[in-house]
Order: sequence, then C-alpha cells, then structure tokens
Amino acid sequence: DVVLTQTPPTLSATIGQSVSISCRSSQSLLHSNGNTYLHWLLQRPGQSPQLLIYLVSRLESGVPNRFSGSGSGTDFTLKISGVEAEDLGVYYCVQGTHAPLTFGSGTKLEIK
Amino acid sequence: QVQMKETGPGLVQTTQTLSVTCTVSGFSLTSYGVHWVRQAPGKGLEWMGIIWGDGSTNYNSALKSRLSISRDTSKSQVFLTMNSLQTDDTAVYYCVSRGFAYWGQGTLVTVSS
Repeated sequence: DVVLTQTPPTLSATIGQSVSISCRSSQSLLHSNGNTYLHWLLQRPGQSPQLLIYLVSRLESGVPNRFSGSGSGTDFTLKISGVEAEDLGVYYCVQGTHAPLTFGSGTKLEIK
Repeated sequence: QVQMKETGPGLVQTTQTLSVTCTVSGFSLTSYGVHWVRQAPGKGLEWMGIIWGDGSTNYNSALKSRLSISRDTSKSQVFLTMNSLQTDDTAVYYCVSRGFAYWGQGTLVTVSS
C-alpha cells in the first residue's frame, strides 16, 4: 500500500501567518492516464472532512484562494497564505492513484 | 444540491454483523462512485472501499474478507456490510462521493462486548 507521510504532525500559527504542510508518498502518484490523484482535506473539530484541493493544485469550489497546492511525483505541499481562525482543524492528504486509497496521518493546525 | 446521509445501528455486539446505509440525493449512483471511509475515535481516516458507477467494487485488502458494499440505484442507497465485528471497529462511518467532494455527516458505530 502507498504510505503518505505528512509533516509536521502539528502546527501552531498566528492569524495572518503563512504555513505549509508536506505530504510525501512512498510511490509516485502520477497515474498512467497523466493525472495525479493527490487531494487535500480539512476536518474541522466535530465536522466531516471537506475537500480543499484536488488533483494536486485545483481549488475546490467555494474554498478560499488562500489555500493552494503544489507538487509532483512523490512530494506535495499544501500552503495557507494568511491563516484565519476558521482554518483550525486537521489537514489530510489522500491519494487515489493506487489501490487501496490511502490517507496521510494528518496535520493538526492550532491557532496561537 | 447533493446530500449524503448515513444511517447505522449505533451499537453492535462483538462478532455480529454491521449494516450501514448511505442515502444520496442530487446525483445518480450510476454516475459517481461512493466510498466508505471510517474514523476511529481520536484517530485518522481509513478508506474501506468503493462501489463505482458501473456497480463494480474495490476494497481495502485489510478488510476485504469481512466487507461488502452494494447498492440499490432505484432507492439511491448504498449499503455497507461488515461481519465479525470487534471493538476496534468502533468508529464514525462516512459515505463519500465525487472524489471526496461530498461527505455525509457520518454515523457513529460502537462495538461492545
């Protein structure tokens, strides 16, 4: 199974600070069809996860553009440009290139 | 407007069989696959399996021997069935669709002896 390693496990940020979360895969996530099925989710406390970024860098409808994704192959990054209070929660990367689908272990964002 | 809602038993005894239903609206089950994802208390997300739009299925190999996913397209419902439950199957069970864009609110299933 593909292992997704997220770092850091926890992140503490002040409002307005920019932060990045890394997701590294044990295998390339480039599919034979040319797509890279690496997505980012946010789970706010007590809520279901929500999709933020899909296919590495595409912003889901309704998601603020302070969120951005980048990367290729095995290394991916989620960046939040100017953290807001509502961004607290746990961020997960998930890959859909290789079966079984797998999730990263999560990065908990705390607001100072 | 897409909606997904899980319905489960709440409490199940060990060694018994779990049945959870996902009822969807706003899209056709023949157009999008539906995943099942679970989350043990205080833990991360675990992918369980998917039923694709064509009705085919894929399962997490760790659960495959105990897990079955099926559907009734006329009722817009997807079913998760898992047997031989143990206490570590206690989790919130989510149904998810359209590439993780749509999630239900989840249903907590507690497995108790």
